[in-house]
Amino acid sequence: KAGVTQTPRYLIKTRGQQVTLSCSPISGHRSVSWYQQTPGQGLQFLFEYFSETQRNKGNFPGRFSGRQFSNSRSEMNVSTLELGDSALYLCASSLDRGRTSYEQYFGPGTRLTVT
Amino acid sequence: TQLLEQSPQFLSIQEGENLTVYCNSSSVFSSLQWYRQEPGEGPVLLVTVVTGGEVKKLKRLTFQFGDARKDSSLHITAAQPGDTGLYLCAGVGRQAGTALIFGKGTTLSVSS
Repeated sequence: KAGVTQTPRYLIKTRGQQVTLSCSPISGHRSVSWYQQTPGQGLQFLFEYFSETQRNKGNFPGRFSGRQFSNSRSEMNVSTLELGDSALYLCASSLDRGRTSYEQYFGPGTRLTVT
Repeated sequence: TQLLEQSPQFLSIQEGENLTVYCNSSSVFSSLQWYRQEPGEGPVLLVTVVTGGEVKKLKRLTFQFGDARKDSSLHITAAQPGDTGLYLCAGVGRQAGTALIFGKGTTLSVSS
């Protein structure tokens, strides 16, 4: 079974631009979560989608948004990029068999650099 | 706000040594997971512990969930260079609708 795939793997953008990142979950997984990882803050939760609905949202500004399609693929968008948005953006999918386990399967991430 | 504190933050040891990584919180979790992340890759799930006091073994790795389900530890016996990586613990909150909470991780370097 193919793992979680993320595209692109690397991205360089300029301040003020916007960016869209894509994630394809493991077949059969309906839950997709997005995380931002930086050396200083570690892994921080952005949002979670389940069956095309945002089920949970982390403490990030409205410039960060996402969506999920009917085939469970997900995209996240960051508008008006700031230097501090430079990070590894990770997507994870889950079978969502219940809150007790909630095991996440991560993609390789998209490394975003904002200059 | 639920937080997970991991210690130590960095660990550099020689091949063959034993080590323990700790994950602590003042909050109770439904379950706790451990992941390992290698450079340039996403975290990979190692184990999930669900029951207070539970101990799980994965070859040379031993995971324990505290009796009160507020803390966990990862013990590696006879570390090898292949164990090098970032070890992350993550807690599942007890309340429905809460997201997975990650600790900041322990960076382990094992040299031969």
